Amino acid sequence: GNSVTQMEGPVTLSEEAFLTINCTYTATGYPSLFWYVQYPGEGLQLLLKATKADDKGSNKGFEATYRKETTSFHLEKGSVQVSDSAVYFCALSLPNTGNQFYFGTGTSLTVIP
Amino acid sequence: GAGVSQSPSNKVTEKGKDVELRCDPISGHTALYWYRQSLGQGLEFLIYFQGNSAPDKSGLPSDRFSAERTGGSVSTLTIQRTQQEDSAVYLCASSSTGTRGREQYFGPGTRLTVT
Repeated sequence: GNSVTQMEGPVTLSEEAFLTINCTYTATGYPSLFWYVQYPGEGLQLLLKATKADDKGSNKGFEATYRKETTSFHLEKGSVQVSDSAVYFCALSLPNTGNQFYFGTGTSLTVIP
Repeated sequence: GAGVSQSPSNKVTEKGKDVELRCDPISGHTALYWYRQSLGQGLEFLIYFQGNSAPDKSGLPSDRFSAERTGGSVSTLTIQRTQQEDSAVYLCASSSTGTRGREQYFGPGTRLTVT
């Protein structure tokens, strides 16, 4: 089946620390991969995506590289800010399942000054 | 332009009552998705529409759940005889047709509480 396994949270970091949130996937096919973010009190919004192997998605200082050989799409940021505090969701979609999203369980990040 | 809207934003209902949740997708988006976000369960897929058709209903938790979409636009998710385990945030998303890797745009959700 199709699934996403995401690093358990919550994660607490000091401002300017390096962030990694691990995400691996299982898919019957060639998925597109996404990171969505949910800020406190807000809806889900796309952070970045990658649609083929070795693509790197990037936005707001966050990056993730589509690694087909390790079926991974780890999220990284070199220097987190307090405003990055949110819940991060890794997801995949496949055309043969209507492009519905299969989400990970979410990782809560808190950045302290 | 306007994003995905959902109504009501909050709904409190008594166990056993029926509820209807509404989703207005982004104009022109042909694909529409319903998800449920609950504590301990993460985000789970319920159903999707391509136009007015629902090719995949496999995510609906039970036959108490149904959904329809009319005019290729507004969708309604109906839960009959609500149970306490139905309490969750129900999210709607829409996307345009096109190539793989289409972004889905999410609404703010409807928080359903069954007492």
